[in-house]
Amino acid sequence: QQKVQQSPESLSVPEGGMASLNCTSSDRNFQYFWWYRQHSGEGPKALMSIFSDGDKKEGRFTAHLNKASLHVSLHIRDSQPSDSALYFCAASGSGYNKLTFGKGTVLLVSP
Amino acid sequence: VTLLEQNPRWRLVPRGQAVNLRCILKNSQYPWMSWYQQDLQKQLQWLFTLRSPGDKEVKSLPGADYLATRVTDTELRLQVANMSQGRTLYCTCSGTGGGNERLFFGHGTKLSVL
Repeated sequence: QQKVQQSPESLSVPEGGMASLNCTSSDRNFQYFWWYRQHSGEGPKALMSIFSDGDKKEGRFTAHLNKASLHVSLHIRDSQPSDSALYFCAASGSGYNKLTFGKGTVLLVSP
Repeated sequence: VTLLEQNPRWRLVPRGQAVNLRCILKNSQYPWMSWYQQDLQKQLQWLFTLRSPGDKEVKSLPGADYLATRVTDTELRLQVANMSQGRTLYCTCSGTGGGNERLFFGHGTKLSVL
């Protein structure tokens, strides 16, 4: 069973629109949640983290965590074509550098 | 600034042949080094974390067998054997190894089976 599940698999939004990505975990040992972004031909890069219940905002990006339901979301406002990429939700509990990744959401922002 | 140098960037591997990958850490402030694999469906999976020179680990996963070695404080190696499906191997680094710290990924080595 996939311990970190993401939805949707793919998402298309117009430039300037809002993109919303979702992630649910089935393992209550996970304490730390991350969003990583991967552009084509590159390695993944950390976008933002969230460890406490509630919202965390960094520029155009807002992450939300509900620990009771183990649900994490990422919202991108004013989406840009450069935001087009594969977005991963990742979770960590114990284990050094051991992140468990979801299958990813492909985001396409059309001009 | 590039923290990790991975080579080669791409390799065609004859079926049944092993391949050796190398990752060089460019900044000693991030000594916790790991290997991740990304399969053809883009699923990322942790393989190993090796902190100290001399650390070695082996693992068998569907489609490949792995042997990882921390050679020095700045060099990490991975031998990939019995590979039946292509994949990309990423080296990562971080400062403390904790889950509350971001990982930095290298550019990756893409392996294809001949």
